[in-house]
Formats: sequence, structure tokens, C-alpha cells
Amino acid sequence: GENVEQHPSTLSVQEGDSAVIKCTYSDSASNYFPWYKQELGKRPQLIIDIRSNVGEKKDQRIAVTLNKTAKHFSLHITETQPEDSAVYFCAPHSNTGNQFYFGTGTSLTVIP
Amino acid sequence: DAGVTQSPTHLIKTRGQQVTLRCSPKSGHDTVSWYQQALGQGPQFIFQYYEEEERQRGNFPDRFSGHQFPNYSSELNVNALLLGDSALYLCASSFGTGPYEQYFGPGTRLTVT
Repeated sequence: GENVEQHPSTLSVQEGDSAVIKCTYSDSASNYFPWYKQELGKRPQLIIDIRSNVGEKKDQRIAVTLNKTAKHFSLHITETQPEDSAVYFCAPHSNTGNQFYFGTGTSLTVIP
Repeated sequence: DAGVTQSPTHLIKTRGQQVTLRCSPKSGHDTVSWYQQALGQGPQFIFQYYEEEERQRGNFPDRFSGHQFPNYSSELNVNALLLGDSALYLCASSFGTGPYEQYFGPGTRLTVT
């Protein structure tokens, strides 16, 4: 199956700074790349996604960039706020297995 | 517009017992996927149901089985519970079985003692 790695596993930033989380995957047939945010005790929430025919997508303070050649995609959060503190998961969709493979997560802490 | 719902919220079972978890998809969605999330880990795909049939399956033993009803709701059954089955069980719904947006329910926390 798909091999998915996320880096870093933990990230602490000062409020107002930017945060970047990288996800690498192994299946070159993957073509849909979502990011989920999971607050403590809550469900994962889709925050942004990108498809393989697009290199970058933005939604206010959040952006995702995709490098299909290198098989990685990244989550960018600008002007971080304390409410951005959560665990973030990437979950590329593998066409080979027709399923989503979740990364191990990145715990982001925004220090006020 | 109701989102994805799951029941029960919490469940405590003893080793060897059987458990059934339930999921109702978001309005307009026809596909339900089930995930197991151990503490501190990412969700792991168990299986997916579409048109009342299991379409994809992850690396889980046959003790894990499921069902989808004509109204698209779904059940996850786990037999012969092991301590290692203790986890948060999440269901996610989508429209279609491919690489489409999926929305998660709040989960069922299963504790096996």
C-alpha cells in the first residue's frame, strides 16, 4: 500500500508566525491530496485539498502546494492563531488501493 | 443539513465479546468508510461500503465486518474483541467511492477490558 510520512511530528510556533507541514507519499498514481485538522477529542475536519492537475491552492490563511514529481505536498498556515493548535493529518488517496492513507500526524502548538 | 452521526459515543466491552457500531452519512452521500484511530495515531482504513456492498478493505482481519442499509447508513461489527481493538472508530461519508471529499463523524470510543 501507500507509504505516507509527515514531518515534523511536532511543531511549536509563536502566534502570528507561519507553519509548514510536509507530507511525502509513495504511490505515483495518487491524485487527490487532502489535509485534515483534528482538535483534541474531536473528529478530523477537512481543511483544504488539492488535485493532481493543480500545483497550489489557497483558502485565506491556509494553502497547500503539490510537487507530483517529488511525491510530496505541504500545508502552509500563515498568521497562526492559538485556535490553529491541533493535530494535522495528510491523507493522499491512492488509486492503486482506491483508499485514503493517513499520515502519522503533526501536533501544532501556537504559543500566544 | 445533518452531518455524519455515529452511535454510541462511548462503549466498554470485555475481551471476547462482540460489538456493533452505527453510522449515518451526511445528507446526499451514498458511501461510508470506516476507520480505526488508535491513541496518538492517524486513522487506519478498515473498509468502505457503497450500494450495500463492501468495495474496498484495509488490512484488518475477518473479525471486522460491516453492512450498509438501503438508506446508506452503515454498521461496523467486531467479533471476539481483543484488548488491541480499543480505539476511536470513525466513519466518514462521501458521494462516490473514489478520490472525493469525505466528512467524518464524531467517532465511537471503544474500550476493551
